[in-house]
Amino acid sequence: GQQLNQSPQSMFIQEGEDVSMNCTSSSIFNTWLWYKQDPGEGPVLLIALYKAGELTSNGRLTAQFGITRKDSFLNISASIPSDVGIYFCAGQVFQGAQKLVFGQGTRLTINP
Amino acid sequence: ETGVTQSPTHLIKTRGQQVTLRCSSQSGHNTVSWYQQALGQGPQFIFQYYREEENGRGNFPPRFSGLQFPNYSSELNVNALELDDSALYLCASSLGLARGNEQFFGPGTRLTVL
Repeated sequence: GQQLNQSPQSMFIQEGEDVSMNCTSSSIFNTWLWYKQDPGEGPVLLIALYKAGELTSNGRLTAQFGITRKDSFLNISASIPSDVGIYFCAGQVFQGAQKLVFGQGTRLTINP
Repeated sequence: ETGVTQSPTHLIKTRGQQVTLRCSSQSGHNTVSWYQQALGQGPQFIFQYYREEENGRGNFPPRFSGLQFPNYSSELNVNALELDDSALYLCASSLGLARGNEQFFGPGTRLTVL
């Protein structure tokens, strides 16, 4: 089945540092999405990417849809304490259903 | 605008029992998807409902079933609970099946099976 490999699994950084995480797959996806999940809550959509090569920003977040359609990355610039949480990439397929395939998550911890 | 809501927040059941989880979709959303998230993992797609019909299913056994109602709210039913069913169950709604109609998640129901 389809799987996403997300790395790194965890990151420990200082406040103010930049962060980079990525996701790769053996399958092609039509849409890539990045979500953030805080403890006890559901994932919150950060960025959605629809075209190969697309680079999209949302404030301090920047994400790109790989040109092979099999990978994506997310960068966070100048990290702040509220960036702490688990970040998930997700690839979307349209096989009748609008199905999301998620990576294993990257846990971000920030030292003030 | 009210977001996706789920009930109950937490639930404890014993092996072999049955459970029903509920989801109210975001206003105007006619598509509801259910995901299972085991501890430390990403969510796994269970199934999706579009306009009251099951529209696709992931790799889950038939004891996982669901319903969608005319107001687009939805239920997830799990029969013959197993210990491995312990997880966070997430509901997500969207405006429809077209690309660009992204899924928005509720807070989840934490199910513990003893």
